[in-house]
Amino acid sequence: ETGVTQTPRHLVMGMTNKKSLKCEQHLGHNAMYWYKQSAKKPLELMFVYSLEERVENNSVPSRFSPECPNSSHLFLHLHTLQPEDSALYLCASGLAGSYEQYFGPGTRLTVT
Amino acid sequence: RKEVEQDPGPFNVPEGATVAFNCTYSNSASQSFFWYRQDCRKEPKLLMSVYSSGNEDGRFTAQLNRASQYISLLIRDSKLSDSATYLCVVNRDNAGNMLTFGGGTRLMVKP
Repeated sequence: ETGVTQTPRHLVMGMTNKKSLKCEQHLGHNAMYWYKQSAKKPLELMFVYSLEERVENNSVPSRFSPECPNSSHLFLHLHTLQPEDSALYLCASGLAGSYEQYFGPGTRLTVT
Repeated sequence: RKEVEQDPGPFNVPEGATVAFNCTYSNSASQSFFWYRQDCRKEPKLLMSVYSSGNEDGRFTAQLNRASQYISLLIRDSKLSDSATYLCVVNRDNAGNMLTFGGGTRLMVKP
């Protein structure tokens, strides 16, 4: 059973809505990640937080806004999304300096 | 050229077969390599790291060829439970934070 939890598991939102995705890790890690997985495409790294500081933005549109209040929690705030943003959003955690990452079950997002 | 390239498959094999997946990567400075497994509608999970000398974990053998920038995964005596998508993963930085994932190779093991 994964030590990384994500809520909600499924989300349907309109293009004008504002919502947030939550991730929590119980593994004592100090690095957290947001990935996007669209159909037929590889996982795309969106954001990296290491020791609670954002390390990577990776040219993600500003309608996605991450927040990392502490090493156990990570949020992805969503506003004015587009239908092409519909995807599986995966959170992962690991130890800073290590490449091993542990994934949460993901939030399946549909933008209507 | 994609940073990490894999044949998407699917590879359809009978139980007990031996199957091999290949992966190429474009960044010659990459130092760390992994295979992840992703079951249908589930999250990716680390299967094994890939070491320069090659390494084995039970029925699974991983090989690295730095000169050709090529990684392989061999599965012997395939089980039905091996059916999944296998993701080739390469580090993107040297700080130990960022990974680049391939698109995955889908394996279906049939009875």
